[in-house]
Amino acid sequence: GQQVMQIPQYQHVQEGEDFTTYCNSSTTLSNIQWYKQRPGGHPVFLIQLVKSGEVKKQKRLTFQFGEAKKNSSLHITATQTTDVGTYFCAGPGNYGGATNKLIFGTGTLLAVQP
Amino acid sequence: ETGVTQSPTHLIKTRGQQVTLRCSSQSGHNTVSWYQQALGQGPQFIFQYYREEENGRGNFPPRFSGLQFPNYSSELNVNALELDDSALYLCASSLTGDGNSPLHFGNGTRLTVT
Repeated sequence: GQQVMQIPQYQHVQEGEDFTTYCNSSTTLSNIQWYKQRPGGHPVFLIQLVKSGEVKKQKRLTFQFGEAKKNSSLHITATQTTDVGTYFCAGPGNYGGATNKLIFGTGTLLAVQP
Repeated sequence: ETGVTQSPTHLIKTRGQQVTLRCSSQSGHNTVSWYQQALGQGPQFIFQYYREEENGRGNFPPRFSGLQFPNYSSELNVNALELDDSALYLCASSLTGDGNSPLHFGNGTRLTVT
């Protein structure tokens, strides 16, 4: 079945260091979405990318959608303690008998040491 | 604009019992999706409702069932609870159900089955 994998699973950084998480889908995606889940919280939508090669920025966060629309990355510059959480990518895919439902990646847990 | 609300926030049940979880969608959203998130995992799609009809189902057994009401609120019912059903259950509303619209999640219901 369709899979969305993320690496690394876990990253521990010192505050001020950069961080990158990578997302890879086994199939081409019409769009990729990124969510952040704080510890004990729920996923919160960050951004959506639609076009091949698209790059979007939100302050210190840079999101990129691959040319083949099968991979994506999230880069955080100069991490802060407020960046702590799990970052998920998600794209439309097939779940059993369901088509075009958002499949979430395995997630990357970011820990930031002050 | 009212966000997605879920109730209850926490629940403890015994194996074999039944449970009903509730969700009110964000105003203007007629599509509700339910996800199961085990500890340390990404959200797994259970099913989706659109205009009171099931609109896609993931790889979950029939003892997981749902409803959507005319005001677009929704229920998730789980019969014959098993220990592995212990998880965070997330409800999300969206403008469309085709994987192209961001999901707006509620705070979730933490279910513990003993």
